[in-house]
Amino acid sequence: EPEVTQTPSHQVTQMGQEVILRCVPISNHLYFYWYRQILGQKVEFLVSFYNNEISEKSEIFDDQFSVERPDGSNFTLKIRSTKLEDSAMYFCASSEGLATREQYFGPGTRLTVT
Amino acid sequence: QKEVEQNSGPLSVPEGAIASLNCTYSDRGSQSFFWYRQYSGKSPELIMSIYSNGDKEDGRFTAQLNKASQYVSLLIRDSQPSDSATYLCAVNDPGNTGKLIFGQGTTLQVKP
Repeated sequence: EPEVTQTPSHQVTQMGQEVILRCVPISNHLYFYWYRQILGQKVEFLVSFYNNEISEKSEIFDDQFSVERPDGSNFTLKIRSTKLEDSAMYFCASSEGLATREQYFGPGTRLTVT
Repeated sequence: QKEVEQNSGPLSVPEGAIASLNCTYSDRGSQSFFWYRQYSGKSPELIMSIYSNGDKEDGRFTAQLNKASQYVSLLIRDSQPSDSATYLCAVNDPGNTGKLIFGQGTTLQVKP
């Protein structure tokens, strides 16, 4: 069964450093998403992406964040200058379409900012 | 502020019992509703989706939707210890961008 994959599983970085989180969505899916979950809190939407454009972004997704689909398979989230409060689990998700809104999540990347 | 509300629990049921999990949402424009299961330290796993009023059954799981009351529920029949997890209710934002709004989750404990 196709799955969303994410790398790395755990990333430790120092405050102010740039990180890139990588995702490979399910191959026939057209819509891609990033969510994050701070320990003990809700899963929060960050951004949705379709047809090489951001469809929607949350208030969390400020100028420090960017997303890219550099090739036909990868979908990346970049945080330019990490802050302590960026420490969280970051989940990539994908869906086949908007009409079929079922989103499948990857295993996540645990980002620790020290 | 669009909200999805769940009782955080824990909800404790004996093995073999029915577990009933509830969720309310604030935006009447939402059209798609999902239940995810999340084991500790893991990612959300989609277990049910429901789009129209009424019941939808899949194995031991039944999702129920009442749009008039803005209420979604999940019933788990014949609960097993392996069902012990946090169950997340997610509702689509009506802006047609696929954004999901999640509840806090209800922790279910199934005791052998």
